[in-house]
Amino acid sequence: GENVEQHPSTLSVQEGDSAVIKCTYSDSASNYFPWYKQELGKGPQLIIDIRSNVGEKKDQRIAVTLNKTAKHFSLHITETQPEDSAVYFCAATPRSNDYKLSFGAGTTVTVRA
Amino acid sequence: KAGVTQTPRYLIKTRGQQVTLSCSPISGHRSVSWYQQTPGQGLQFLFEYFSETQRNKGNFPGRFSGRQFSNSRSEMNVSTLELGDSALYLCASSARGVLTDTQYFGPGTRLTVL
Repeated sequence: GENVEQHPSTLSVQEGDSAVIKCTYSDSASNYFPWYKQELGKGPQLIIDIRSNVGEKKDQRIAVTLNKTAKHFSLHITETQPEDSAVYFCAATPRSNDYKLSFGAGTTVTVRA
Repeated sequence: KAGVTQTPRYLIKTRGQQVTLSCSPISGHRSVSWYQQTPGQGLQFLFEYFSETQRNKGNFPGRFSGRQFSNSRSEMNVSTLELGDSALYLCASSARGVLTDTQYFGPGTRLTVL
């Protein structure tokens, strides 16, 4: 099955700086890569996703890049704000139409004011 | 529109007991997925239901089962509880269970097995 590795496990950044989280996956058939944000006491929330036919996608301060050859994808958060503090998960699935996601272990992001 | 709701939010059971967790998806959503979240194993897929049929299943023992009703509400059951079943159980719904639809997670049910 799919194996997703995520780094770093914790990340502390100064407010206004950028944060980068990297993930690698093992199954070359994977073609959908979502990113989730989980705040304390809540379920994960989808923040951005990318498909294998796209190399980069941006939504305001958040961007995701995908390198299918190297089998890795990254989340970039620019101009970080205190409300960006949360646990972030990357995920992948090799099935085009199924939400059978394999998740990374998560990155705890702390934005220092 | 109301979000995904899960009941109960917290549950304490003892080894050997069985437990049933409930999930009400967003109105109109037909796909419901279940995930187990633990500090050691992270988020792991349990199973997914669409129109009362299980479409996908993760690598969990047969003690974990689920079902979906005609109104799309779903339940998952864990029999013969073990200490290792202590986890946050998350339910997620999407309109059609396809990746062009956003998947919305509920707040989870925290299960503690003593």
